[in-house]
Amino acid sequence: GAGVSQTPSNKVTEKGKYVELRCDPISGHTALYWYRQSLGQGPEFLIYFQGTGAADDSGLPNDRFFAVRPEGSVSTLKIQRTERGDSAVYLCASSAEREQFFGPGTRLTVL
Amino acid sequence: AQSVTQLDSQVPVFEEAPVELRCNYSSSVSVYLFWYVQYPNQGLQLLLKYLSGSTLVKGINGFEAEFNKSQTSFHLRKPSVHISDTAEYFCALSGAGSYQLTFGKGTKLSVIP
Repeated sequence: GAGVSQTPSNKVTEKGKYVELRCDPISGHTALYWYRQSLGQGPEFLIYFQGTGAADDSGLPNDRFFAVRPEGSVSTLKIQRTERGDSAVYLCASSAEREQFFGPGTRLTVL
Repeated sequence: AQSVTQLDSQVPVFEEAPVELRCNYSSSVSVYLFWYVQYPNQGLQLLLKYLSGSTLVKGINGFEAEFNKSQTSFHLRKPSVHISDTAEYFCALSGAGSYQLTFGKGTKLSVIP
């Protein structure tokens, strides 16, 4: 079946702009995760959804970052007033149990 | 707090030679352990996982890992590597009662012809 998909694959924006990153999880997976991977680092946890609600958002770096999953399927990660330090690959994963399946990521570049 | 340490940032190895990628972890609760592989410009793919039971786990592409609770390690091994194994490998854990993964910084495996 189809895996986790993320759009766009690349996003270039200017400092101060607003961006939205989309994640389509594997059908039937109730859990959805967002991670951020900076150059030369492992992925870092941002937020975890169980169904429609954010079960754990302790990894969001500040209040410029927000994520939603209104119908318990597709999720959108929203970043306001982007900064150059937000440049990274944003990864989405979904799971039915312990094993997480990752999407290809969105590479965000803030100029 | 939980952490994962991958001591080797880069590991070069000749084709058909064995390889071990080291992973140590720290956690105050019981853990579930994973190894993921990331090929250039691709997403993360699960190689293998330890959830419970036998401490020796086998994964895809001939890789295996052994969970050692006393040494808090989960090293990845392959007896004979191929050029196609060139990639970055990440060790990760999730703790009992939580679901998010904590990753190490990764080890870049380069297989030399």
